[in-house]
Amino acid sequence: EIVMTQSPATLSVSPGERASLSCRASQAVSTNLAWYQQKPGQAPRLLIYAASARATGFPATFSGSGSETEFTLTISSLQFEDSAVYYCQQYNHWPWTFGQGTKVEIK
Amino acid sequence: EVQLVQSGAEVKKPGESLRISCTTSGYSFHTHWIAWVRQRPGKGLEWIGIMYGSDSDTRYSPSVQGQVSISVDKSISTAYLHWGSLQASDSGIYFCARADIVAAGKPMDVWGKGTTVTVSS
Repeated sequence: EIVMTQSPATLSVSPGERASLSCRASQAVSTNLAWYQQKPGQAPRLLIYAASARATGFPATFSGSGSETEFTLTISSLQFEDSAVYYCQQYNHWPWTFGQGTKVEIK
Repeated sequence: EVQLVQSGAEVKKPGESLRISCTTSGYSFHTHWIAWVRQRPGKGLEWIGIMYGSDSDTRYSPSVQGQVSISVDKSISTAYLHWGSLQASDSGIYFCARADIVAAGKPMDVWGKGTTVTVSS
């Protein structure tokens, strides 16, 4: 089973600043890596897939990069509504696996 | 519009059986996978398993293998998650999600709102 490790656990950023979230895979997953956004009391939403493709409904302030074992989600200019927990997930190998999540807080 | 509508909250006792459902609409059930994801109270997301709509190819996480089973009824475009004997550790919110891997290369792109399962004596 591939272990996904996210860092940091919590990120506190001021509005308008840049946030960078890291995700590391224990084995290479090519670019079969997704990011999800989950707000309290809601289902997760697909944010990024194929490591860098942005899903419908998300602005260009969100971007993903990386391949194989190292991935980054960048929020270029943080807005209050971006406060959420962000999860990475690999879908290159069965079983699919999630990281433990990074909570993004707005200062 | 693609929709995944999940069954309502359940309260069960340890040892009881349970089946929850995920009824889909707005897309071809036969050409997509349906995944199940668990979220224990205050915790992160845990991938449970997945089934392909047309041929019922199924994969499970080792953490739940043998404890749950996934099935589908293609005639009504519905997926199920079934427990034969619940444990307290099965408590949590269970989400179903469509995976559009074949055509669009997207994992879990549309989600249900979740079913809360509480197992308590």
